[in-house]
This record gives sequence, structure tokens and C-alpha cells, in this order.
Amino acid sequence: SAVISQKPSRDICQRGTSLTIQCQVDSQVTMMFWYRQQPGQSLTLIATANQGSEATYESGFVIDKFPISRPNLTFSTLTVSNMSPEDSSIYLCSVEVGGRPFFGQGTRLTVV
Amino acid sequence: AQSVTQLGSHVSVSEGALVLLRCNYSSSVPPYLFWYVQYPNQGLQLLLKYTTGATLVKGINGFEAEFKKSETSFHLTKPSAHMSDAAEYFCAVSDKTSGTYKYIFGTGTRLKVLA
Repeated sequence: SAVISQKPSRDICQRGTSLTIQCQVDSQVTMMFWYRQQPGQSLTLIATANQGSEATYESGFVIDKFPISRPNLTFSTLTVSNMSPEDSSIYLCSVEVGGRPFFGQGTRLTVV
Repeated sequence: AQSVTQLGSHVSVSEGALVLLRCNYSSSVPPYLFWYVQYPNQGLQLLLKYTTGATLVKGINGFEAEFKKSETSFHLTKPSAHMSDAAEYFCAVSDKTSGTYKYIFGTGTRLKVLA
């Protein structure tokens, strides 16, 4: 199994600013995944982050808007840049262990 | 590409009644299938998963799901609903591309249990 800690758990931010979300895993993992869950909707994969290489972004998501760092095998950050109210969502970090994904508790972001 | 369809964004059942949440998938290869539950203001919790082997999978909290390849379905059932089962349920399929697994989630079904 894997235990994932995300910080912050929630935040209210002004439009135009940026927020960096941290994800810490209690074991070393090759890949870390970042998802977005917009209000009342399902999870959408933003990007996959491998240690030592640039993150791979899904269609509709770009590095300038969602830069990701992966400095080691247990940690990653996702930044939501130049925020607008449309970025209000839950952002979830995930890892795969034993053939199944584990999720952090999420970061609930509200942009005002 | 693989995809998941959950029929019914909202399902209401009476306490003690059968719970049936529908999930259909599309996949060109044998899939791995998952059901997750999300309680209000909480993260995702795995209910059960199918990888290989027995097609009837038992999970936590009395839930089970049956993989039916001929119907490309993986419906979630529970014989008797409890009030505590009220939550959002997500079906997911794994999508292995370029040597890595990605997980595709359905749009979710919100289960309401009526007293």
C-alpha cells in the first residue's frame, strides 16, 4: 500500500496568483499522477510525473499552466498558475502500487 | 483508447434494497477494472478491483462486482443498502500506454439511500 500526504488540504486564492500543491509518498514510486476533479465531475488526469524527466501532460493541459516538479522518488509538486475561477477544483495526487492507484486526500482550491 | 461509461449520475434506493450501479467499459485489451467510493469531503477509497481470474469480485463493505466480457460490463452491487452507503461511486479502467498505466475514470454515480 501507499500513504500519500498532500498540502495544503484546501486554499482560497485570488485570481491571477499561483498555488503550489505538495505531494509526499511514504515509499519510493516511479510515477506520480496528478488529477483534477471539478465540482460535480469525475477525475481527469492532468499529467504523469517521472523522477528525472519532464512530466507528460494530457490533452488540454500545458506545462505553462500546470508546471510539475519531481525532484525525487517520494515527492512531487503541482503548481496552478495564473489562476482563474475556472481552476476551482479538487486536485489529487496519485501513485500506483501493487497494480492499483492510491490517492491523496486532495487539495480543494477555490479561486475568487 | 479505453473509456468508461457509468449509466445514471444519480441513483436512489431504499434502505435494505438492492444497490446496482452500472459501469460499461471499452478496451481493446483485457482491462483492469476498479470501483472507488468517495464520501463527502474525503478522498477516494478502493472498493474492489478486477485484474484476472475469478470474474466475481468481492470488495469491502459488502459490495461486489462481476466482470462480464461479453457485455463489457463491471456493474457494482450490494444486496442490502445501508444509510452509510450514500456516497459518490466511480468506476475506472486501466489504460496501459507507452509502458505506463493510466487510469480512466467514469463520470461517477451519486448514491442516495432513503430511510
